[in-house]
Amino acid sequence: GNSVTQMEGPVTLSEEAFLTINCTYTATGYPSLFWYVQYPGEGLQLLLKATKADDKGSNKGFEATYRKETTSFHLEKGSVQVSDSAVYFCALGISNFGNEKLTFGTGTRLTIIP
Amino acid sequence: DAGVIQSPRHEVTEMGQEVTLRCKPISGHNSLFWYRQTMMRGLELLIYFNNNVPIDDSGMPEDRFSAKMPNASFSTLKIQPSEPRDSAVYFCASRDRVNTEAFFGQGTRLTVV
Repeated sequence: GNSVTQMEGPVTLSEEAFLTINCTYTATGYPSLFWYVQYPGEGLQLLLKATKADDKGSNKGFEATYRKETTSFHLEKGSVQVSDSAVYFCALGISNFGNEKLTFGTGTRLTIIP
Repeated sequence: DAGVIQSPRHEVTEMGQEVTLRCKPISGHNSLFWYRQTMMRGLELLIYFNNNVPIDDSGMPEDRFSAKMPNASFSTLKIQPSEPRDSAVYFCASRDRVNTEAFFGQGTRLTVV
């Protein structure tokens, strides 16, 4: 079956620090990979995605590269801000005419201190 | 588009009462998901529909939970009778037939006392 393993939290960093949140996956077939972000009191929002190997997804200064050889999709940001404090979820999905559920990791809580 | 719309945003009810959560997916989306989020268990998929048909309900915790999707623009998640351990944030999400990413609503925070 499909599964996602992501870095356990919580993670606490100082403002302007470099961020990496690790995510690895197992999947049958050729999944698309996603990072979602959840700010306090809100639903999950799609942060970025990559649909095939070697694709790089990017948004709001965050990046993640789809690495098929290491089955990874690590989230990175060069300089974090206090406003980046949130819970981050790695997820995968396989297109099968809509008949495939998304599989989420357990989430990583990130706190940025000024 | 207004996105996925859930109602109510907050619900407080007494143990034993029936609770109905509502979801309006994004127009044109053909898949709909119900998730439950708690501190202890994280994000759990309860059930998902494709073209209004339930595809996988293996995450529904027990018979007290039921979900329906009578048409492409509306779904309900019902808990009857509710129990304190059902207290959680319930999210609805929808997806179109081309892309695999899902779009989430703001959630319903349910408190059963």
